[in-house]
Amino acid sequence: ETGVTQTPRHLVMGMTNKKSLKCEQHLGHNAMYWYKQSAKKPLELMFVYNFKEQTENNSVPSRFSPECPNSSHLFLHLHTLQPEDSALYLCASSQDDSGSGTDTQYFGPGTRLTVL
Amino acid sequence: EDQVTQSPEALRLQEGESSSLNCSYTVSGLRGLFWYRQDPGKGPEFLFTLYSAGEEKEKERLKATLTKKESFLHITAPKPEDSATYLCAWTRGSQGNLIFGKGTKLSVKP
Repeated sequence: ETGVTQTPRHLVMGMTNKKSLKCEQHLGHNAMYWYKQSAKKPLELMFVYNFKEQTENNSVPSRFSPECPNSSHLFLHLHTLQPEDSALYLCASSQDDSGSGTDTQYFGPGTRLTVL
Repeated sequence: EDQVTQSPEALRLQEGESSSLNCSYTVSGLRGLFWYRQDPGKGPEFLFTLYSAGEEKEKERLKATLTKKESFLHITAPKPEDSATYLCAWTRGSQGNLIFGKGTKLSVKP
């Protein structure tokens, strides 16, 4: 595997289900991100992890719970979602040694989530 | 309010018809301007990073430029495989927080 991988690629869940999205980066980066992309809207940053520590939470509802066990893996745990949470969820990674936040982010293919 | 605006929203070109996409911004303290390409149902693919006004970068048929108020993505003699949505994003460098525009959807007809 190369680059940034995400599983599953497609997920359909009911409002009462609990599911998790997985992201793995094979680039040796130390920062990882979750974004949400809804139809007709720009990508929205959800969470940022740098060296496994969460450094940003963009006012995301608690029904989304991120987990970063190491610099290569990132999870997004989902529970009690709403239909409006249906979107493409994208993971990205970057090499952010200096903490400047200006390094290029590389994206995975995304997970298409549908909440019924 | 800081914002980035991409125009046009959609652009249809004939194969070989050169054009430019615009990303204008009203941001103080911009530390980086990024261009990505996104195909339907896929993640954004990195194209260019520009850090200072006057900077230019090229890759095949694409050339990105940056001024103090806007960035252009010039497409020379496009081919149908250049059809995609092109996204620009900026950062102040704060924890890698990228702010994306809505994108320009480019269609190139043979």
